[in-house]
Amino acid sequence: ILNVEQSPQSLHVQEGDSTNFTCSFPSSNFYALHWYRWETAKSPEALFVMTLNGDEKKKGRISATLNTKEGYSYLYIKGSQPEDSATYLCAFLGVNQGGKLIFGQGTELSVKP
Amino acid sequence: KAGVTQTPRYLIKTRGQQVTLSCSPISGHRSVSWYQQTPGQGLQFLFEYFSETQRNKGNFPGRFSGRQFSNSRSEMNVSTLELGDSALYLCASSMTRDPYEQYFGPGTRLTVT
Repeated sequence: ILNVEQSPQSLHVQEGDSTNFTCSFPSSNFYALHWYRWETAKSPEALFVMTLNGDEKKKGRISATLNTKEGYSYLYIKGSQPEDSATYLCAFLGVNQGGKLIFGQGTELSVKP
Repeated sequence: KAGVTQTPRYLIKTRGQQVTLSCSPISGHRSVSWYQQTPGQGLQFLFEYFSETQRNKGNFPGRFSGRQFSNSRSEMNVSTLELGDSALYLCASSMTRDPYEQYFGPGTRLTVT
């Protein structure tokens, strides 16, 4: 059974703090690693799709890195804002698995003004 | 471009009944995946359909089934409902281009009493 783990489970920070989360996934049969952001009462929204070892992606204040050899990815948020409050999900996609994403449990981020 | 739509948004059913949920993908997307989210379980993959064929299946009992129509719309059916089937059911569509970035709908909240 494939296991995707995220830590921490939840995080409470003050506005302006920088924060990071970890996603651990199987290092074998890797095809892609997805990051999603899920706000309450909304649909999960794709942040990044990462495929190459050593890849780094950035979107505004959010960035992500990928290490496929050791099976982990970090998501960083620089200068957190209250609107960053959401659950951040990572999902592993294996080789020849089509669109079968295996999700972690998510990290719930709360940013206080 | 219209997003992924799901109907109904909310549903209350009684144990033993069956239910059908519908998902309309983004225009041009040919792959539809279904996920179940329950408290503490995260997003669990149910199945994926592409060109009216089930391409992948998750670890769920046979009471969960689905189909896809020629216009890529998909339905999911759960027969003989159990209390544990109460969950948020999300569908996601993708163009099937690598690496299968998925776009999620708002979900159907199913409550079984």
